Amino acid sequence: DVKVTQSSRYLVKRTGEKVFLECVQDMDHENMFWYRQDPGLGLRLIYFSYDVKMKEKGDIPEGYSVSREKKERFSLILESASTNQTSMYLCASSTLGNPTGSYGYTFGSGTRLTVV
Amino acid sequence: AQSVTQPDIHITVSEGASLELRCNYSYGATPYLFWYVQSPGQGLQLLLKYFSGDTLVQGIKGFEAEFKRSQSSFNLRKPSVHWSDAAEYFCAVGASRGNQFYFGTGTSLTVIP
Repeated sequence: DVKVTQSSRYLVKRTGEKVFLECVQDMDHENMFWYRQDPGLGLRLIYFSYDVKMKEKGDIPEGYSVSREKKERFSLILESASTNQTSMYLCASSTLGNPTGSYGYTFGSGTRLTVV
Repeated sequence: AQSVTQPDIHITVSEGASLELRCNYSYGATPYLFWYVQSPGQGLQLLLKYFSGDTLVQGIKGFEAEFKRSQSSFNLRKPSVHWSDAAEYFCAVGASRGNQFYFGTGTSLTVIP
């Protein structure tokens, strides 16, 4: 069964810590995404990547960075965690697949991060 | 700019009743449209998608959705709701640039016995 795996379901970190959220997909997908999900705000795109070593900012990149050294792995980095980054973080991957476009995203189960 | 509106934040239905969740989108070209479901504490699962062709699409778990270009809508329906359908539902539209999607803010569904 193909999947997107996020390394941690729950994380608690202290303010000012550097935090790494890891995401691995086994579908050979070109595209990977990081979203955060907050009540009433839906999913907001933080960063995405179309290829290895490529990255593009989404709608809310401030305070975050990403790394994609290998096709299957996409890491989200909180440079200095703050309490307003307490959230559910969702990783997703997708492929163009066919000429008509995307088959949609495959999501990981999410990482609930609490910054204290 | 692309956007998705889900006007209903929360809906409560009785088990066995019919369900319709609304989704309106703003997009300059023919959109790629999706519905996802999220059970508590879980990631999002794809229910169904529309790319082209027949405007009524069937998905998993007995769900269907109808694309209406004139109304810029892609409403999700189910004829008879089960208690296990209680979840958060997200509508999404595909962007022209690569595979970036735009999500609505979600509709929370409660099913009462």
